Amino acid sequence: QKEVEQDPGPLSVPEGAIVSLNCTYSNSAFQYFMWYRQYSRKGPELLMYTYSSGNKEDGRFTAQVDKSSKYISLFIRDSQPSDSATYLCAMSVGGGSNYKLTFGKGTLLTVNP
Amino acid sequence: ETGVTQSPTHLIKTRGQQVTLRCSSQSGHNTVSWYQQALGQGPQFIFQYYREEENGRGNFPPRFSGLQFPNYSSELNVNALELDDSALYLCASSLAGGAQSQFFGPGTRLTVL
Repeated sequence: QKEVEQDPGPLSVPEGAIVSLNCTYSNSAFQYFMWYRQYSRKGPELLMYTYSSGNKEDGRFTAQVDKSSKYISLFIRDSQPSDSATYLCAMSVGGGSNYKLTFGKGTLLTVNP
Repeated sequence: ETGVTQSPTHLIKTRGQQVTLRCSSQSGHNTVSWYQQALGQGPQFIFQYYREEENGRGNFPPRFSGLQFPNYSSELNVNALELDDSALYLCASSLAGGAQSQFFGPGTRLTVL
C-alpha cells in the first residue's frame, strides 16, 4: 500500500461547479497536510496547508483533514476555467530544515466554460 | 527577490550517460530539496540539503547524488542514466520553515533515449 493514495481522475466539471478532491494516507507520522496546484509544464505551487484535523478556508478553497480516518479533502467552490490544472495532495514529516514531503499521484481537473 | 530557477529547461541524453541539473534557491533560502516527477505521477523526494550537507534521502540509488554550494545553489547529478530516469526534475527551496514554506522551481525535463 502506498503511503498516499489519490484518485488520478481525470475530473471534468462545468464552470461554477463545486469540486471535491480527496486523498487517503497510511502513515500516522504525517504532521502537515498540503494541497498543491500544478499547471502544465510548471512546478507545483502551494494552495493551502493544515496541521490539525478540521477545516481551513481560503477564498473559494476549503481544506479538510480527518486524522482519525486518515483522509484529506480539498473543495473548490464556484470553479473557474483558470482552476484547470493538476491538484496534488502532499504530506510531510519533520520540520525546520529537515523534512520529507510525500505526494499523491495528482488529480487532473478540467473546468469547462 | 527572484524565485527558484532551474537550468537547463530541458535536455535529451542517451542511456548510460551522466547529467548535471542546476538549481538556484530563492534568495536567502538555505534548504534545498530535489524531486523526480515521472509523467502522470506526483513528485517523489530524492534528497534534501541544508547548509551544504545532505540531511535526508528518499528511495533512490546512489547514482543520484547532489551538492549544495555556499551560496545555497544546488546540483543534482545522475550517473549511468536509465530510460526510467526520464522525468521532470524539480528543485524546491525553503528557509527553516518546514515543507509548507518551500517554493518550487519550474523543473528540468530530462528525456533519456
